[in-house]
Amino acid sequence: GAVVSQHPSRVICKSGTSVKIECRSLDFQATTMFWYRQFPKQSLMLMATSNEGSKATYEQGVEKDKFLINHASLTLSTLTVTSAHPEDSSFYICSASLHVNQPQHFGDGTRLSIL
Amino acid sequence: DQQVKQNSPSLSVQEGRISILNCDYTNSMFDYFLWYKKYPAEGPTFLISISSIKDKNEDGRFTVFLNKSAKHLSLHIVPSQPGDSAVYFCAARMDGNEKLTFGTGTRLTIIP
Repeated sequence: GAVVSQHPSRVICKSGTSVKIECRSLDFQATTMFWYRQFPKQSLMLMATSNEGSKATYEQGVEKDKFLINHASLTLSTLTVTSAHPEDSSFYICSASLHVNQPQHFGDGTRLSIL
Repeated sequence: DQQVKQNSPSLSVQEGRISILNCDYTNSMFDYFLWYKKYPAEGPTFLISISSIKDKNEDGRFTVFLNKSAKHLSLHIVPSQPGDSAVYFCAARMDGNEKLTFGTGTRLTIIP
């Protein structure tokens, strides 16, 4: 149980393109999902908490207009990187947990490369 | 401000021996700690966790030790196997808060 699927696994696109990343909980319902970003050889940094049916909660320093999050159902959250630029190139990972006191389970991540 | 620190970026251990990965934290409000294993181009996989009311938790080859007074935890893997080669992250959270704070990771290499 507790499988989280993330799609796509890799995106390469031109500067100025908007990119949508999907995160799905396959065998459970997740009222809360999390979006992380990881730069090479660095830690996973929480970007935002995605709440089903309400607005996402963004961490300090993360631009909400740049990283749009939609959590339209209990099994799907999407992250859209709007007008992506080379500095947005990174590894983006989502996670969800069965319950607030349970460990988070992660998707396999999306490698975003902006040319 | 790095609240969770893994001071060893890498560690090499002979197959069959014990691997010990260390993690220190600064925030005394953290009360639940987790270890994740990560392969390249994949998301982290949950390994083992420990609550602050305990000082040890064991699951097969994996044991996590927590020293609250020192704000230190460690992951022991014994015996180490080649498939254990990966990056290991420790993470911490506060009671009632799902947000995880991750360390910077330690790359473990098991030498056959």
